[in-house]
Amino acid sequence: NAGVTQTPKFQVLKTGQSMTLQCAQDMNHNSMYWYRQDPGMGLRLIYYSASEGTTDKGEVPNGYNVSRLNKREFSLRLESAAPSQTSVYFCASSESGLSDYEQYFGPGTRLTVT
Amino acid sequence: RKEVEQDPGPFNVPEGATVAFNCTYSNSASQSFFWYRQDCRKEPKLLMSVYSSGNEDGRFTAQLNRASQYISLLIRDSKLSDSATYLCVVREDTGRRALTFGSGTRLQVQP
Repeated sequence: NAGVTQTPKFQVLKTGQSMTLQCAQDMNHNSMYWYRQDPGMGLRLIYYSASEGTTDKGEVPNGYNVSRLNKREFSLRLESAAPSQTSVYFCASSESGLSDYEQYFGPGTRLTVT
Repeated sequence: RKEVEQDPGPFNVPEGATVAFNCTYSNSASQSFFWYRQDCRKEPKLLMSVYSSGNEDGRFTAQLNRASQYISLLIRDSKLSDSATYLCVVREDTGRRALTFGSGTRLQVQP
């Protein structure tokens, strides 16, 4: 039981490049989330998927797109990376919805945009 | 003003010490409160919920003061393994009910 897995662990992009962050969970959770964590700021919700087939914007969605590929997988795409998107990105999942207080996080992706 | 404010620390304490962190929240509609723990360069994990009457989990005690809009986490008999960043988390119980995370308080327990 791996929990929540994310790939890649590290990535360096040049401004304007695109990439997709992958996330998968094996806990049969309905809801999945993408957060970013920046120094001095709390985790901020980018997008979430309350259930398979649905996605919604979080607090900071600009510059990102998501796909809930199936119940297990939720990907985050940066179409044209900007230095302001340098951050640590965490994927998380929970049993039933946004109000779940226990969310299970993946190990994170450290992204640098130069 | 941030919705959830925490002293970033670090709090440097010797093993065996008692240490307490506070967290203030600005939205009086916030109804549910939690502490998460995040080890250095790792993912956050739920530590404990905070109940209105206060609650203990071993060496950890969480308390809520609604009148002053703060929650606290007390750690007794600190261990080296308690070294981590402690994230305060609040949730409104209306609207989207999303979690709002504080930026964390770093604790370093020294031998």
